[in-house]
Amino acid sequence: GAVVSQHPSRVICKSGTSVKIECRSLDFQATTMFWYRQFPKQSLMLMATSNEGSKATYEQGVEKDKFLINHASLTLSTLTVTSAHPEDSSFYICSAPDRGGFDTEAFFGQGTRLTVV
Amino acid sequence: ILNVEQSPQSLHVQEGDSTNFTCSFPSSNFYALHWYRWETAKSPEALFVMTLNGDEKKKGRISATLNTKEGYSYLYIKGSQPEDSATYLCAFCFGGFKTIFGAGTRLFVKA
Repeated sequence: GAVVSQHPSRVICKSGTSVKIECRSLDFQATTMFWYRQFPKQSLMLMATSNEGSKATYEQGVEKDKFLINHASLTLSTLTVTSAHPEDSSFYICSAPDRGGFDTEAFFGQGTRLTVV
Repeated sequence: ILNVEQSPQSLHVQEGDSTNFTCSFPSSNFYALHWYRWETAKSPEALFVMTLNGDEKKKGRISATLNTKEGYSYLYIKGSQPEDSATYLCAFCFGGFKTIFGAGTRLFVKA
């Protein structure tokens, strides 16, 4: 089946630095990529939706200047956590729907565990 | 506030037991219901995408049903095996192309 490769799987960074997370679709074209965040014992929460070649759409309460999303090609979307703070420590995961529709399955990356110290 | 509830939160069964979990979701504006299987340190893996009221889908020992009018879906596992141990997530897709995930049911199957 289709694969979404997400890197890094785990990162520890100092407060104030920026961290970039990459998601690559390996054998299909991901016109849309969803970025989720999961805090301990909570559900996956959608942060933003990126579409190739256009600006991302952010969910309410998600700061677009803090979580920069770039989807410059059909196989790569990136999420940059800028000026990270300890409260940004979380599990971040991307997913891309097959053929772009919600009536088809979505393929997830492996997730990134971010710890800001 | 739209909410997707999964129950139970966790479940411990013996190898060979059959089990089922519930996903409850709003009954309006329904578009699709997804079930995923998420093993630790791996990507969530799609099990089923269900779109029609009354849908029943099956993949090996795992099956799912859908009732969009009352807002619930059941996931069944027949003859659980240790390799079925995982978190099972449901995701409710609704109008406006939004998705809300449940918190998952964590299944532990003891050999």
